[in-house]
Amino acid sequence: NAGVTQTPKFRILKIGQSMTLQCTQDMNHNYMYWYRQDPGMGLKLIYYSVGAGITDKGEVPNGYNVSRSTTEDFPLRLELAAPSQTSVYFCASSPSLYGYTFGSGTRLTVV
Amino acid sequence: KNEVEQSPQNLTAQEGEFITINCSYSVGISALHWLQQHPGGGIVSLFMLSSGKKKHGRLIATINIQEKHSSLHITASHPRDSAVYICAPLGGSNYKLTFGKGTLLTVNP
Repeated sequence: NAGVTQTPKFRILKIGQSMTLQCTQDMNHNYMYWYRQDPGMGLKLIYYSVGAGITDKGEVPNGYNVSRSTTEDFPLRLELAAPSQTSVYFCASSPSLYGYTFGSGTRLTVV
Repeated sequence: KNEVEQSPQNLTAQEGEFITINCSYSVGISALHWLQQHPGGGIVSLFMLSSGKKKHGRLIATINIQEKHSSLHITASHPRDSAVYICAPLGGSNYKLTFGKGTLLTVNP
């Protein structure tokens, strides 16, 4: 099983550019999450989804958008990238509220 | 105010030592995760527990729901245990994970 796959692993964006971080899971998990991890801080929830077609905001949603058209995919869209969005992004999935599986992360730098 | 407090923030040990990392949280929870993150690497879930104690190899996790406290112990520590260990309670008002800032463990040979 591949588990949770994130692409790309690294990316450098210029201020104002847009990009989509991809996340795919092959475990048929209903719940999917996007987190960001900043140095010295705990992970913060950006968006989450409890199933296909259902998404909701987390703690830090500003500047991001998500969609969940299938159970497997949960892409995170950055519009008008800003330096404050420089971070490491983790996607995760779970079959219920328990048993999380994390992706390997995307390291994003906005310059 | 951070809802999850981990201690210590940094820990250096010699190979073979017994390690304890503590986690205190302020909200009611249904379960708690301990996660491991190697430098520059992904995040792996080590344990999820809602009461008592769990053991996987040299790792032991305990939780006291009434005291809102959990500990992660590593017996006979090894340099490959060097990583950041993150406590993540599940629950509170929104049933989503809240993460501690992590404890950076370095085990020297």
